Amino acid sequence: NAGVTQTPKFRVLKTGQSMTLLCAQDMNHEYMYWYRQDPGMGLRLIHYSVGEGTTAKGEVPDGYNVSRLKKQNFLLGLESAAPSQTSVYFCASSYGTGGLNTEAFFGQGTRLTVV
Amino acid sequence: GIQVEQSPPDLILQEGANSTLRCNFSDSVNNLQWFHQNPWGQLINLFYIPSGTKQNGRLSATTVATERYSLLYISSSQTTDSGVYFCAVARGNNRLAFGKGNQVVVIP
Repeated sequence: NAGVTQTPKFRVLKTGQSMTLLCAQDMNHEYMYWYRQDPGMGLRLIHYSVGEGTTAKGEVPDGYNVSRLKKQNFLLGLESAAPSQTSVYFCASSYGTGGLNTEAFFGQGTRLTVV
Repeated sequence: GIQVEQSPPDLILQEGANSTLRCNFSDSVNNLQWFHQNPWGQLINLFYIPSGTKQNGRLSATTVATERYSLLYISSSQTTDSGVYFCAVARGNNRLAFGKGNQVVVIP
């Protein structure tokens, strides 16, 4: 049982390049999330999804797009990377709020540097 | 959105000492979690505790939902307890809002 797996773990991009971060979970969770963590701060929500085919904006969505074509996968895209997007990105998943347990589990993080 | 405040922001402990970390939040919640971020950056789930008290080894946590705070207790601290402890809370759609963390350093 792998839990939440993020690919890649590290990446360096040049300003203006594009990339996609992949998140996969094997816990049959309905909800999935993308967060970013900057130095000295907690995590901030970028986008989230409450089910296959649905996405919604979080606290800091600008410059990012997401897709949830399959229940187990949640993709985060950067169309034109900027230095301000240098950060550590975390994916998470949880059961939906209709159940009793909404504990969220996180992937190992992706360290992205934009130069 | 919900505001989450953690205190103290920084804590230095002698190995073997006990400590209490506090998390205050600004609204009613249906999820509260404590995480430990280790020096390698991994977020480790410690407790899922929207209310009540739980214990796991040397760690325990208490959430008093009606008064909007949670406490994390570390007893007999070890150097492996070093890192950042995050409190995170959620209401609708389980969108977790994080505090800025408690940076803990345990010295031998």
